[in-house]
Amino acid sequence: GAGVSQSPRYKVAKRGQDVALRCDPISGHVSLFWYQQALGQGPEFLTYFQNEAQLDKSGLPSDRFFAERPEGSVSTLKIQRTQQEDSAVYLCASSLSTVYEQYFGPGTRLTVT
Amino acid sequence: GENVEQHPSTLSVQEGDSAVIKCTYSDSASNYFPWYKQELGKRPQLIIDIRSNVGEKKDQRIAVTLNKTAKHFSLHITETQPEDSAVYFCAGAGSGGGADGLTFGKGTHLIIQP
Repeated sequence: GAGVSQSPRYKVAKRGQDVALRCDPISGHVSLFWYQQALGQGPEFLTYFQNEAQLDKSGLPSDRFFAERPEGSVSTLKIQRTQQEDSAVYLCASSLSTVYEQYFGPGTRLTVT
Repeated sequence: GENVEQHPSTLSVQEGDSAVIKCTYSDSASNYFPWYKQELGKRPQLIIDIRSNVGEKKDQRIAVTLNKTAKHFSLHITETQPEDSAVYFCAGAGSGGGADGLTFGKGTHLIIQP
């Protein structure tokens, strides 16, 4: 079946611009996670949804980062007033339930110039 | 919170030999330990995972062992092949009642020499 998809795959933003990154989870997957992966590093947890409820946002680095999943399916990660340090690959993962067996999307590579 | 350490950062083995990657974790309440393989520019792929109620799990050439007392777990790949070349990440989770994400190690770049 179809895996997790993300769009856009690449995004170049000028410093100060707002960006929105989209994640389409595997159909039927209740849990959705966002991670940030810097070059040469492991993914770092940002936030977690169970259906439409955002149960954990402890990993969001600042109040410029905002995520939503209004209908319990597609999720959007928004970054306001982008900074150079926001440059990274943003990965989305989904699972049937909670933290177990997460399947990742291809990521969105964000470059802030 | 959880802290996961992974060693080595780079591992080079001859094709056909075995490879072992080791990880330690800090939170004794963690109960889920997956391993991901990531090829350059690609998504992380779940290759095997283990929960804290078992000590070992195998899937063909791949096995994972867990020592809860020592808080470490390892990935074993036997009969390595060129397509095993990639970056491998260990991770831990599960101490937050399910409402938390994975904490990843820094990765091991596995190189299979022909």
